[in-house]
Amino acid sequence: GAVVSQHPSWVICKSGTSVKIECRSLDFQATTMFWYRQFPKQSLMLMATSNEGSKATYEQGVEKDKFLINHASLTLSTLTVTSAHPEDSSFYICSATPTGYSYEQYFGPGTRLTVT
Amino acid sequence: AQSVTQLDSQVPVFEEAPVELRCNYSSSVSVYLFWYVQYPNQGLQLLLKYLSGSTLVKGINGFEAEFNKSQTSFHLRKPSVHISDTAEYFCAVSEYTGFQKLVFGTGTRLLVSP
Repeated sequence: GAVVSQHPSWVICKSGTSVKIECRSLDFQATTMFWYRQFPKQSLMLMATSNEGSKATYEQGVEKDKFLINHASLTLSTLTVTSAHPEDSSFYICSATPTGYSYEQYFGPGTRLTVT
Repeated sequence: AQSVTQLDSQVPVFEEAPVELRCNYSSSVSVYLFWYVQYPNQGLQLLLKYLSGSTLVKGINGFEAEFNKSQTSFHLRKPSVHISDTAEYFCAVSEYTGFQKLVFGTGTRLLVSP
């Protein structure tokens, strides 16, 4: 149980285009989901906290207009990287907290984004 | 704000030897503590967590960790490692604020050789 999926697992896009990454909780409902960014051989940095039905809360230094987050249902959150640039290339990981279990967090397998 | 320090960026060890991965944290309030493992090009898998109660926590794959409040540490141990334990290990801390917001350490690469 407690499986989180991400789609796509790997994406290449051209500079200036936008790309959407989906995060789904497959067997539980998640009121809260998180988006992280991980650079090669580095730790995870929290980008934003996404709550179902409300606006995401972004961490300091994360551009809201560039990284659009939508949490439209209890099982789906999306991250859209708008007008992508090569410096946005990274490994993006989402996690989900089951509703009612605020101390549990389950991670997706990650999405490798390469911007050319 | 809380922070996590993993002093060892890489720990080489021979197969079947014991290992300890160190983690120290800083926080002004009570925290929850976690250890996650990440295999190449994969997401994170929870190894174990400390929420309350017994300070010795047992997790999956034979790992365990001990919460030491006075030393603000949460070191991860395994008495006998396998080649398959080669991975990146992250320590994380969370202050309970109604939902979990994790702060991760920089990770320790465990390299198990035959």
